[in-house]
Amino acid sequence: NAGVMQNPRHLVRRRGQEARLRCSPMKGHSHVYWYRQLPEEGLKFMVYLQKENIIDESGMPKERFSAEFPKEGPSILRIQQVVRGDSAAYFCASSPRAERNTEAFFGQGTRLTVV
Amino acid sequence: AQSVTQPDIHITVSEGASLELRCNYSYGATPYLFWYVQSPGQGLQLLLKYFSGDTLVQGIKGFEAEFKRSQSSFNLRKPSVHWSDAAEYFCAVNGNNNDMRFGAGTRLTVKP
Repeated sequence: NAGVMQNPRHLVRRRGQEARLRCSPMKGHSHVYWYRQLPEEGLKFMVYLQKENIIDESGMPKERFSAEFPKEGPSILRIQQVVRGDSAAYFCASSPRAERNTEAFFGQGTRLTVV
Repeated sequence: AQSVTQPDIHITVSEGASLELRCNYSYGATPYLFWYVQSPGQGLQLLLKYFSGDTLVQGIKGFEAEFKRSQSSFNLRKPSVHWSDAAEYFCAVNGNNNDMRFGAGTRLTVKP
C-alpha cells in the first residue's frame, strides 16, 4: 500500500505562471488536506476536501488559489499567476475517515519556488 | 477555532539527556491531540495521539506525551535523546470539522 504521493517534488515557476500540485491519497482514503509550510514557520491549514466536495477552505487565500478532489484521479492544488510569496513547501495529507481521532498521513511535499 | 502554541522555536539538548517539548492548545471541547515529527526534506510522521482515556500516551521511538486539561497542555517527552531524534516536531489539535491545526513547530538539535 503506497503512501500519500505528491508530485512533483520540486516545481519552479516564473512569476505569473500557473502551478499545479498533485496529491494521490493512500488507497482507501477519501479525505484530503492541503497545508502550506513557509520557511521557519509551521504548517498552515489551507483546505480540506472529500471526493468531489470542499469541506473547509477557510485557510485558502481568496484569490488565485483553488483545490479540487475529483471522483477519479488525484487532488489538485492550483495556484494561478504565482508570485514570489507563494514559494513554500506544500504538503498533502489523507485519512480514511472523517473522525477526529483518525490520524492524517502525509506526503513528502512539493517545494514550489517562484523566480 | 482551535489553535496550538509551541512556545519553543528551537531546543538544543545533549545526546542521552532528557527532552520535553511544550505544547499548549486552545479548544472549547475535548481536544484530539497529535504529535508529528518531520525530518529535513520529508513529510510528517505521527509519533502519538490522544483523544480519550489514559492521559499519558506512549508513542513510537520511545516518545510519550501527557495530556493535562487543567493546563491545556500536551507536552512531549523522551527520557534519553538519540542523535537521530534531531528533527522538527509539531503539535496539532483536531477540531469538529476534522480540520487539523498545527503549531509553529519546535526544531530539536542534538549535541554529541
